[in-house]
Amino acid sequence: GNSVTQMEGPVTLSEEAFLTINCTYTATGYPSLFWYVQYPGEGLQLLLKATKADDKGSNKGFEATYRKETTSFHLEKGSVQVSDSAVYFCALSEISGGTSYGKLTFGQGTILTVHP
Amino acid sequence: DAGVTQSPTHLIKTRGQQVTLRCSPKSGHDTVSWYQQALGQGPQFIFQYYEEEERQRGNFPDRFSGHQFPNYSSELNVNALLLGDSALYLCASSFGQGLGTEAFFGQGTRLTVV
Repeated sequence: GNSVTQMEGPVTLSEEAFLTINCTYTATGYPSLFWYVQYPGEGLQLLLKATKADDKGSNKGFEATYRKETTSFHLEKGSVQVSDSAVYFCALSEISGGTSYGKLTFGQGTILTVHP
Repeated sequence: DAGVTQSPTHLIKTRGQQVTLRCSPKSGHDTVSWYQQALGQGPQFIFQYYEEEERQRGNFPDRFSGHQFPNYSSELNVNALLLGDSALYLCASSFGQGLGTEAFFGQGTRLTVV
């Protein structure tokens, strides 16, 4: 079946440091890939997405590139801020009969803490 | 736009009881999905409702059931609660289908089974 594996956390960085959170996936077909963020006490918010190979999703300084050859979708940000402290989830949406109904398979999440 | 709203926010139930959680989708959305998020884990797909029918189901027992109403709102019912059902239950709504369909999540209902 489909699965998503994220790098184990937690990740602790100083403000303005470079961030990478690794994500690899296993899927049949060509799923869409997502990064969601969960701030304390809140639900999940979509951070960025990519729907086909070599697509780059970007938002709020975060980027991730859909790499079909390595089945990866690593999240990066050049300079993190304290306000980026949250839990980050990599996810894929499954394809059934050529159609995506939006069912998401998530990784286990990576806790990011950024210190001033 | 109120976004996806869930009620209640917190709930404490006794083992063996039944519980109903509610979700109102984002305006214009016709599809509702439910997820269970155990502490420290990623959300797990329970099922999805579209046009008042269950369209997809994850690997959850029949104790988990749902309903979608004509106004697209939805309920998640869990019977014979177990301690292991303690989790954050997330509702997500979306519109349409196809690659990259975005799901919007509510803040969740924290269920504690004692």
